[in-house]
Amino acid sequence: AQSVSQHNHHVILSEAASLELGCNYSYGGTVNLFWYVQYPGQHLQLLLKYFSGDPLVKGIKGFEAEFIKSKFSFNLRKPSVQWSDTAEYFCAVISGGGADGLTFGKGTHLIIQP
Amino acid sequence: DAGVIQSPRHEVTEMGQEVTLRCKPISGHNSLFWYRQTMMRGLELLIYFNNNVPIDDSGMPEDRFSAKMPNASFSTLKIQPSEPRDSAVYFCASRTGTYNSPLHFGNGTRLTVT
Repeated sequence: AQSVSQHNHHVILSEAASLELGCNYSYGGTVNLFWYVQYPGQHLQLLLKYFSGDPLVKGIKGFEAEFIKSKFSFNLRKPSVQWSDTAEYFCAVISGGGADGLTFGKGTHLIIQP
Repeated sequence: DAGVIQSPRHEVTEMGQEVTLRCKPISGHNSLFWYRQTMMRGLELLIYFNNNVPIDDSGMPEDRFSAKMPNASFSTLKIQPSEPRDSAVYFCASRTGTYNSPLHFGNGTRLTVT
């Protein structure tokens, strides 16, 4: 079964700092990768996704992620964070064919201090 | 579109009682997922349906949990009898039939079992 590991459970940054959240997955075959964001008290929303092609994908609100197949990684980045980016971020993977459904990492709680 | 609709938003019940959570997926989506979110375990896939048929229920923790999807527009997750360790936020999500299309999440049901 596939698994997803997010390196940091809590991250605290100041506004305008650069952000990188780590994500590694275990499946060795074809994968599709997602980042979801959950703002306080809200449901999960899609931030960005990678299916194929350019390994650097851009999402909403200035976020981007890079798929590095050799490292089984899909790290999320943002050059300059804002207070409104405070949220929980989840990396997720689905393997080719989708037999295992979508597997989520445990999430990273990001707090941006003004 | 109204999005994925879950009810109730909050449920407080006593141990031993039956709890039923409800979900209405987005019209036209033919895959539906039930997830449970806790601090300890993050997001866990409980069960998912494709065209109203349960495909994988290996995430259902015990026989106390059951899920049904009698038609394309309605699903229930039932816990009977409920226990304090079932306290969590339960999310329903739906997507189109394409396995790598993004999930759309409902607002969740926060269940507290005392």
